[in-house]
Amino acid sequence: GQQVMQIPQYQHVQEGEDFTTYCNSSTTLSNIQWYKQRPGGHPVFLIQLVKSGEVKKQKRLTFQFGEAKKNSSLHITATQTTDVGTYFCAGPAETSGSRLTFGEGTQLTVNP
Amino acid sequence: NAGVTQTPKFRVLKTGQSMTLLCAQDMNHEYMYWYRQDPGMGLRLIHYSVGEGTTAKGEVPDGYNVSRLKKQNFLLGLESAAPSQTSVYFCASRFRTGQGEQYFGPGTRLTVT
Repeated sequence: GQQVMQIPQYQHVQEGEDFTTYCNSSTTLSNIQWYKQRPGGHPVFLIQLVKSGEVKKQKRLTFQFGEAKKNSSLHITATQTTDVGTYFCAGPAETSGSRLTFGEGTQLTVNP
Repeated sequence: NAGVTQTPKFRVLKTGQSMTLLCAQDMNHEYMYWYRQDPGMGLRLIHYSVGEGTTAKGEVPDGYNVSRLKKQNFLLGLESAAPSQTSVYFCASRFRTGQGEQYFGPGTRLTVT
């Protein structure tokens, strides 16, 4: 069945360092979504990418969708303590577009 | 707008007990979802609904039942709780059309002893 994998599972950085998480799908995706979950909180939608090779920026966050639409990345420049949390990617399930298949997430901690 | 709300926030059950988790949304969303979140396993879909009166199984439906009698509510039931159902449960909802972003509730932390 469809799998969505993320690496790394954990990442510890010093404040000011950059951070990247990678998402890989076993199947081609029509789009990919990214969510952030703060410690003790709930997932919050960040962005959706639809086009092959698409790049979108939100302040210090840069999101990319691969040319083959099977992988994606989230890059944070100059991390801040407010970036702490778990970042999830998610793509439409192979069997039903009304569902999402989530990656396991990358947990980011930032040391001040 | 309250968005997506969940009750209760916390619950401790003994093995074999039953309970119902309630999810309510005031955004007129057609689709609603129940997920469970366990450490290192991301979000796994239990059941979902694409409209009032309809439900469907997700990845991990065993041991759970759901009902969507009203568009704004989605109930998750555990008939006979087991320790393996100790988890954090999230409800989410979204519009049928549009970019498909899901809005999550604050979660219910359930412990089964």
